[in-house]
Amino acid sequence: EVHLVQSGAELKKPGESLKISCRGSGYSFSHYWIGWVRQKPGKGLEWMAIMYPGDSETRYSPSFEGQVTISADKSISVAYLQWSSLKASDTAIYYCVRDSSGSFFDYWGQGTLVAVST
Amino acid sequence: EIVMTQSPVTLSVSPGERATLSCRASQNISNILAWYQQRPDQAPRLLIFGASTRATGIPARFSGSGSGTEFTLTISSLQSEDLAVYYCQQYTDWPFFTFGGGTKVEIK
Repeated sequence: EVHLVQSGAELKKPGESLKISCRGSGYSFSHYWIGWVRQKPGKGLEWMAIMYPGDSETRYSPSFEGQVTISADKSISVAYLQWSSLKASDTAIYYCVRDSSGSFFDYWGQGTLVAVST
Repeated sequence: EIVMTQSPVTLSVSPGERATLSCRASQNISNILAWYQQRPDQAPRLLIFGASTRATGIPARFSGSGSGTEFTLTISSLQSEDLAVYYCQQYTDWPFFTFGGGTKVEIK
């Protein structure tokens, strides 16, 4: 059975860095694109970035290019999303998602709440 | 960017009644559309892909239709557990996925 298990909630201050994680299991991690989706409080879903762990190819939404970095360690089946300098506007729930063969998102992680506040 | 517009924003339906949700694309996306359900305080889950194919384990009361720019998600007989926000998503412009703003289904 496919599972995406994400790291726990984070409370950070503006300007701090952060790296959240998503561990995949139950499938060949290297052979499926894995991505991240943001959901701000009370709002809808926004696709941020996607990566193919097999060759590290990455793609970013223009809205998030340069704001975050997606990466993965295929040896331990973990994907990451990182920020170098958080802003209050980064407060949101972040979901990791598996892309079903270059199309829709067939599996979702449970979400990681990131709260950025002074 | 392909813009996805959902209507209505909120839909109030009595148990056992039919719920009809709409999604419109700003350009022709053929049948390259998915629907997701997000129950309160849960992660979204895949309901429908290819505009009309139910994902594994999704009850038959959920059906999708449409192609081109107009799409519909129908819940044939609303159950209490269907209280959720429903999102459509195009993936024809891969990987530049875009979601609709969502329709909240309330139980009347």
